Amino acid sequence: AQKITQTQPGMFVQEKEAVTLDCTYDTSDQSYGLFWYKQPSSGEMIFLIYQGSYDEQNATEGRYSLNFQKARKSANLVISASQLGDSAMYFCAMREGQGTNAGKSTFGDGTTLTVKP
Amino acid sequence: ETGVTQTPRHLVMGMTNKKSLKCEQHLGHNAMYWYKQSAKKPLELMFVYNFKEQTENNSVPSRFSPECPNSSHLFLHLHTLQPEDSALYLCASSSTGAENSPLHFGNGTRLTVT
Repeated sequence: AQKITQTQPGMFVQEKEAVTLDCTYDTSDQSYGLFWYKQPSSGEMIFLIYQGSYDEQNATEGRYSLNFQKARKSANLVISASQLGDSAMYFCAMREGQGTNAGKSTFGDGTTLTVKP
Repeated sequence: ETGVTQTPRHLVMGMTNKKSLKCEQHLGHNAMYWYKQSAKKPLELMFVYNFKEQTENNSVPSRFSPECPNSSHLFLHLHTLQPEDSALYLCASSSTGAENSPLHFGNGTRLTVT
């Protein structure tokens, strides 16, 4: 069964500093995708970044990068130069490519990030 | 219009009411989803539609009834709900059901059952 673990219920970071949000996953599938989503207080879930299980390079999207360590089954999100607008809930998610869970997205419990001015 | 649009944004209904949530996507995607997000719980997948066909019903009670008339529209019909059904209901779409296809979400409908 696929599972996502986010061990940090809440995180604080000073504006302009970098922050790492942790995510570990569990799957027996060889082909899967890892995603991070941001959910501001308004409720909409916003897709941030994607990492494929076969990708050798870490994904980057602007100030977001994904620190992918396949052997450790971790997919941490790094946000550089934090801004006040980064304050939100962040969810790590996984989609498997094969088996009975193919295509389904499993989400972690989320991490609430607060950026302090 | 772009993205995924959900209406209404807020809904208050009694346990004997019948209401419907609407979702529309303008992204040309082939898969659509309903998720439930309750306080203190992870996101729960409710239903999946691929090319208008329901491919997943995640043991959802029959008081929730989905409808997908075409690949751009998705409805969730609600009847005789319980107070524990109060939650944020999120609609999402993806290009395909493949593992490399991210979900694109709407703003959600915040439902309160009284």
